[in-house]
Amino acid sequence: ETGVTQSPTHLIKTRGQQVTLRCSSQSGHNTVSWYQQALGQGPQFIFQYYREEENGRGNFPPRFSGLQFPNYSSELDVNALELDDSALYLCASSQGGTSGLREQFFGPGTRLTVL
Amino acid sequence: GQQLNQSPQSMFIQEGEDVSMNCTSSSIFNTWLWYKQDPGEGPVLLIALYKAGELTSNGRLTAQFGITRKDSFLNISASIPSDVGIYFCAGSSGGSNYKLTFGKGTLLTVNP
Repeated sequence: ETGVTQSPTHLIKTRGQQVTLRCSSQSGHNTVSWYQQALGQGPQFIFQYYREEENGRGNFPPRFSGLQFPNYSSELDVNALELDDSALYLCASSQGGTSGLREQFFGPGTRLTVL
Repeated sequence: GQQLNQSPQSMFIQEGEDVSMNCTSSSIFNTWLWYKQDPGEGPVLLIALYKAGELTSNGRLTAQFGITRKDSFLNISASIPSDVGIYFCAGSSGGSNYKLTFGKGTLLTVNP
């Protein structure tokens, strides 16, 4: 069974640029959630995708957007990068729908630094 | 964004000691999860709790879902050096997406 994978591992961008982060969900999972983890903090929910549709969003501006593909992998796009966007971005996969299983399994994260 | 109240913020203990940490929320949750995160890595799920009052063990780890549904506890018995890391509680209130709300974490240091 393959776990959650994310790419790239690290990324350095400058203010105003755009970035795309990628996530492959764990085998058998159809739901992907994205979280932002600032240094010294717990992860904060950005949004979730279930069956290629956005299924809930946290308190993040519209310049944070995403996609989910038919194979359940997902992308997180951030436009007009700001210094405060520097963080570890985590992807978590889970079995959604009516399975009742609410466990989310995390990937290793992408460390984004905005200069 | 909302975060749970997790305490203590950090603990420094001797190998072999038992450890307790807890998490409280102003909202009711119907799922509590406990994760461990090592530096530079993603959180790893330790224990999942689904019912108020539930007590679940995973090896030396035991977690409880508080009866009020607003708190949870994690105990680690006979700590070893590899227990070092940051422990996070996370709660979900259900609904359609089961998003997780996290605590700020408890940094555990174990002195061999």
